[in-house]
Amino acid sequence: DAKTTQPPSMDCAEGRAANLPCNHSTISGNEYVYWYRQIHSQGPQYIIHGLKNNETNEMASLIITEDRKSSTLILPHATLRDTAVYYCIVPMDSSYKLIFGSGTRLLVRP
Amino acid sequence: GAGVSQTPSNKVTEKGKYVELRCDPISGHTALYWYRQSLGQGPEFLIYFQGTGAADDSGLPNDRFFAVRPEGSVSTLKIQRTERGDSAVYLCASSPTYSSPGELFFGEGSRLTVL
Repeated sequence: DAKTTQPPSMDCAEGRAANLPCNHSTISGNEYVYWYRQIHSQGPQYIIHGLKNNETNEMASLIITEDRKSSTLILPHATLRDTAVYYCIVPMDSSYKLIFGSGTRLLVRP
Repeated sequence: GAGVSQTPSNKVTEKGKYVELRCDPISGHTALYWYRQSLGQGPEFLIYFQGTGAADDSGLPNDRFFAVRPEGSVSTLKIQRTERGDSAVYLCASSPTYSSPGELFFGEGSRLTVL
């Protein structure tokens, strides 16, 4: 898999935007960027994925830089329930095998 | 329920015993995955099924681990001669088609404790 680098932890205030960065400087042209999160004691949950264009769904927005070497997951109005570990994953050649790193532990403060 | 179901949710066993963990994927999902997660770590890939066959078992740590999916739906992860180092949460995931390879639906996991 393309190596991804994420900060180990971040925090933000409830109601504010949470911006989670991810570096994937060795990404290839056909490789997607996936984001998952894992709330304590639950299985990972798919959030969003993208290739080149920015993407938005009901959970989050994904901003991918033009050179595709980094991306940012945006939770526009973080709630306490968004406290979780967030994983940025780039499966090699967009294959089935997701390799999870250590992720970013996001703490949303009241 | 509509999600991936895993049983048992918790299993405590003694070193050397045999364990089976079951996964019921979302109906109609052809792809099924097993992952293992140790405390403080991200999930670690074990095996991937497409239909009934194991398309990739490169993540199984050794020959004590085996998984089957005989009818292309339910899967069982089997661990022989358990060791304390096998203690972890075992996660199962499924996905609908190969065209969406990275969009997996995970279960809540089976927590295995080997004493």
